Amino acid sequence: DIQVTQSPSFLSASVGDRVTITCRASQGTGSYLAWYQQKPGKAPKLLIYAASTLQSGVPSRFSGSASGTDFTLTISSLQPEDFATYYCQQLNTYPPLTFGGGTKMEIK
Amino acid sequence: EVQLVESGGGLVQPGGSLRLSCAASGFIFSGYGMHWVRQAPGKGLEDVSAISTNGDSTYYGDAVKGRFSISRDDSKSSLYLQMGGLRSEDTAVYYCVREGLARNFDLWGRGTLVTVSS
Repeated sequence: DIQVTQSPSFLSASVGDRVTITCRASQGTGSYLAWYQQKPGKAPKLLIYAASTLQSGVPSRFSGSASGTDFTLTISSLQPEDFATYYCQQLNTYPPLTFGGGTKMEIK
Repeated sequence: EVQLVESGGGLVQPGGSLRLSCAASGFIFSGYGMHWVRQAPGKGLEDVSAISTNGDSTYYGDAVKGRFSISRDDSKSSLYLQMGGLRSEDTAVYYCVREGLARNFDLWGRGTLVTVSS
């Protein structure tokens, strides 16, 4: 199975900050990686797929990029509604479609 | 409305069984692979089981292999997860999830809580 290591596991930031979350895959996944946002008590929501394609309706302040086995989710200017937990997921080797451990983002 | 609605969760004793259901609406259910993803309290996401569009291919995570069985009824636009030999570590919210383009999980249900405890 492909493992995905997500960092940091916890992030404290302020409204307006630019933040970056990283996932590293244990082997090549091409561009087959997705990012999800989960708020407390809610189901995860797809933000980005194919490493950098924004899901319909997702604000443009979210972006994704890839470099080899390293993937990055960037939020250009944090908004109050962005404080949540974020997960990456490799979509290359199936099954399973493994998730990263998550990054919990809190208000500083 | 495009949605997935899970049901069937609850409190069950260790060693017991439970059947989860997921009702799909607003899209052509038969055209999509489906998954069950679970999340233990305070923990991350785990892809527990999956089924192909025609039901011929299934997947089970190592933690549930031999105890859980996934199935689908396209005539009812429904997905199921039969769970047996339940353990305390199976306690989690179970989400029904649609596998969209490029394998991403593009539609999630609200989840149903399964609690395994004596």
